[in-house]
Amino acid sequence: ETGVTQSPTHLIKTRGQQVTLRCSSQSGHNTVSWYQQALGQGPQFIFQYYREEENGRGNFPPRFSGLQFPNYSSELNVNALELDDSALYLCASSLLGTWGGEQFFGPGTRLTVL
Amino acid sequence: AQSVTQLDSQVPVFEEAPVELRCNYSSSVSVYLFWYVQYPNQGLQLLLKYLSGSTLVKGINGFEAEFNKSQTSFHLRKPSVHISDTAEYFCAVSDRGNYQLIWGAGTKLIIKP
Repeated sequence: ETGVTQSPTHLIKTRGQQVTLRCSSQSGHNTVSWYQQALGQGPQFIFQYYREEENGRGNFPPRFSGLQFPNYSSELNVNALELDDSALYLCASSLLGTWGGEQFFGPGTRLTVL
Repeated sequence: AQSVTQLDSQVPVFEEAPVELRCNYSSSVSVYLFWYVQYPNQGLQLLLKYLSGSTLVKGINGFEAEFNKSQTSFHLRKPSVHISDTAEYFCAVSDRGNYQLIWGAGTKLIIKP
């Protein structure tokens, strides 16, 4: 069973640029959630995708967008990067319909915005 | 809106001593409660969860937590810590029917030899 993988592991961008982060779900999972974890803080929920549709969104502006593909992998896109977007971005997969079930996290992508 | 408070940003404890990491949440509506651990440069791993039933929940690596509805708390305990328990621990809450996890700021567990 393959776990959740994320790419790239590290990324450096400049203010105003755009970035795409990728996530592969654990086998058998149909739901992907994205979180932003700033240094020294807990994760903040960005949004969740289920069957290629957004299924809930946290308090993030529209320049944060996502996609889920038929194989349940996912992308997080951030436009017009700001310095405050520097953080660890975590992807978690789960099986919707078994809530109370576990979210399995990837190792994260460390984004630095200069 | 739901919020989670982890009162201690760091907890230093000697090896083989007991430890308690505190977590309080704001809303008393029906909730699911979780503790996750994050080892340095790694993702988050589930330690244990409370969904319903017994208020004492046992997890991996010898950790346990007790759900206290009247105090809206879900404190994490371990009777004897090991150097390998050095990590950051996060408490998370979800209102039932809402799949969004709300997280505390984390507690760094520092094990002193």
